[in-house]
Amino acid sequence: QKEVEQDPGPLSVPEGAIVSLNCTYSNSAFQYFMWYRQYSRKGPELLMYTYSSGNKEDGRFTAQVDKSSKYISLFIRDSQPSDSATYLCAMRPGGGADGLTFGKGTHLIIQP
Amino acid sequence: KAGVTQTPRYLIKTRGQQVTLSCSPISGHRSVSWYQQTPGQGLQFLFEYFSETQRNKGNFPGRFSGRQFSNSRSEMNVSTLELGDSALYLCASSPNAGNQPQHFGDGTRLSIL
Repeated sequence: QKEVEQDPGPLSVPEGAIVSLNCTYSNSAFQYFMWYRQYSRKGPELLMYTYSSGNKEDGRFTAQVDKSSKYISLFIRDSQPSDSATYLCAMRPGGGADGLTFGKGTHLIIQP
Repeated sequence: KAGVTQTPRYLIKTRGQQVTLSCSPISGHRSVSWYQQTPGQGLQFLFEYFSETQRNKGNFPGRFSGRQFSNSRSEMNVSTLELGDSALYLCASSPNAGNQPQHFGDGTRLSIL
């Protein structure tokens, strides 16, 4: 079992829909959770950065962390064709002594 | 504010050669991390440098090494290249070591023939 599981997709939704992206993990030491967006031929771009359980909202994006279930989500409201990209979840334990552990990414397609 | 800059963007090498990749972090950022991205394994952590010292290291062979200079710029070296080293190598910087958001460059695409 990999430490972080993420459905690779592709996930195809119509423009304007609410998108839900998810990751599950097995390491209970993870305390910091991130979502990155990666366009083709570009590096990952940080979207959301959260600590421990709870919700965080930034514009059209909402990140949720449920540590009891070892499950994190990213919601995108009013999705746009420009949101089409690969979305990567990442996490790390507390203490800052480890690099980020990534999911393999979900390929998202927003249909105009 | 300029982002993380990686050079070169593309590189072609042959098996057995060695290669050096360069990373300039965001101005004021002192921590630099390196990652390898492949279709099969995804993004994997290589190592992190802070104040010219390696803080931690991922599960990669000793052929992969790095260093950081006093201006926070970092280099990564891979010796005795193998076909499996073909990958996108990404550098990320953060203001300090510890649990801070990491910001990535666009990577160096390394192809081994």
